[in-house]
Amino acid sequence: EVVMTQSPATLSVSPGERATLSCRASQSVYSNLAWYQQKPGQAPRLLIYGASTRATAIPARFSGSGSGTEFTLTISSLQSEDFAVYYCQQYNNWPPAFGQGTKVEI
Amino acid sequence: QITLKESGPTLVEPTQTLTLTCTFSGFSLSTNAVAVGWIRQPPGKALEWLALIYWDDDKRYSPSLKSRLTITKETSKNQVVLTMTNMDPVDTATYYCAHLYSENFFDYWGQGTLVTVSS
Repeated sequence: EVVMTQSPATLSVSPGERATLSCRASQSVYSNLAWYQQKPGQAPRLLIYGASTRATAIPARFSGSGSGTEFTLTISSLQSEDFAVYYCQQYNNWPPAFGQGTKVEI
Repeated sequence: QITLKESGPTLVEPTQTLTLTCTFSGFSLSTNAVAVGWIRQPPGKALEWLALIYWDDDKRYSPSLKSRLTITKETSKNQVVLTMTNMDPVDTATYYCAHLYSENFFDYWGQGTLVTVSS
């Protein structure tokens, strides 16, 4: 099974700053990686799939990059509504697997 | 517009069987490449994928929970049912159902339902 490792566990940033979140796969998943955002008390929301394709209605300040085993989610200028937990998920190998999440806080 | 909603008991006793229903709209589980999955999240912890059922009735399960899980679909009712046997307090979690199309990532999610396992 592929293990997904996210870093850091917590990222402290200020509104307007850039945030960079990392996700590493224990073996290559090519570009078969998705990112989700989860706010307290809410279901996860799909942000990115195919490592770099934004989902419907996702603002351009969210971008994804990487392939193989190393992936990055970048939020170019943090807005107040972006403070949340972010999860990566690989879907190249069975079973699909989520990372442990990165909490983006003020 | 795709929507999904989970329903089922909020409290289950240890050793009992949990049955959850996902009722959806805006798509059909008879459409090629469509699937519905279940994912859970213990309080304060990460997401864990549980099971998937595809339009052609192909079923996939988490290897670590496979012996306890059964997923079925009622296409005409737009429902997917997940059963989990031998519930334990560690199974306390919010259970989500979600839609996927073609590739195994989840583009639409239900609101989730919190299931507590306690005597």
